[in-house]
Amino acid sequence: GEDVEQSLFLSVREGDSSVINCTYTDSSSTYLYWYKQEPGAGLQLLTYIFSNMDMKQDQRLTVLLNKKDKHLSLRIADTQTGDSAIYFCAESDYGGATNKLIFGTGTLLAVQP
Amino acid sequence: DAGVTQSPTHLIKTRGQQVTLRCSPKSGHDTVSWYQQALGQGPQFIFQYYEEEERQRGNFPDRFSGHQFPNYSSELNVNALLLGDSALYLCASIRAGIYGYTFGSGTRLTVV
Repeated sequence: GEDVEQSLFLSVREGDSSVINCTYTDSSSTYLYWYKQEPGAGLQLLTYIFSNMDMKQDQRLTVLLNKKDKHLSLRIADTQTGDSAIYFCAESDYGGATNKLIFGTGTLLAVQP
Repeated sequence: DAGVTQSPTHLIKTRGQQVTLRCSPKSGHDTVSWYQQALGQGPQFIFQYYEEEERQRGNFPDRFSGHQFPNYSSELNVNALLLGDSALYLCASIRAGIYGYTFGSGTRLTVV
């Protein structure tokens, strides 16, 4: 079946690195995404990774993918108070980038000054 | 460049009523998907429209229906509202060759 799981909460100090983890079950997923949601807002695409990649870096963001264990992580370097938000990982269904997204329950990141 | 726009931003309806939510996709996008996000949960896929047809559907009852117009804008209709339909409804758009849907800010529906 389709299921994406995330830890519910992460608290870090400003300037530290944050690592948000996600596990998924659909081995046919081709694209995996990280979205950010601030209070009362929609979802903002942060980054994505193809399933044939192990790592992708985009400025302060690093995505690691372990396809064997179906484990995805998002590392935020030098975390700032503006990074406080809910972070969702998502996989695309049946390998198509325009297909439906299956989201995790989200991880609330709290950054302490 | 305007992103995905949704209207209205907030809505209060009574049980049993019907509601229509609207979405204009990002310029250049032709595929629209709708998601329901209950409080404290991740978004759940409702359905997707492309070329004015429903292409994919999630596990939602027939009370949830939609439409896509020739200009790619879309509507989500919910009939016979239940208290459990209270949620943030998100519209997202994409086109082939783009990786990652663009989401609107959502419509907060409260059913009383």
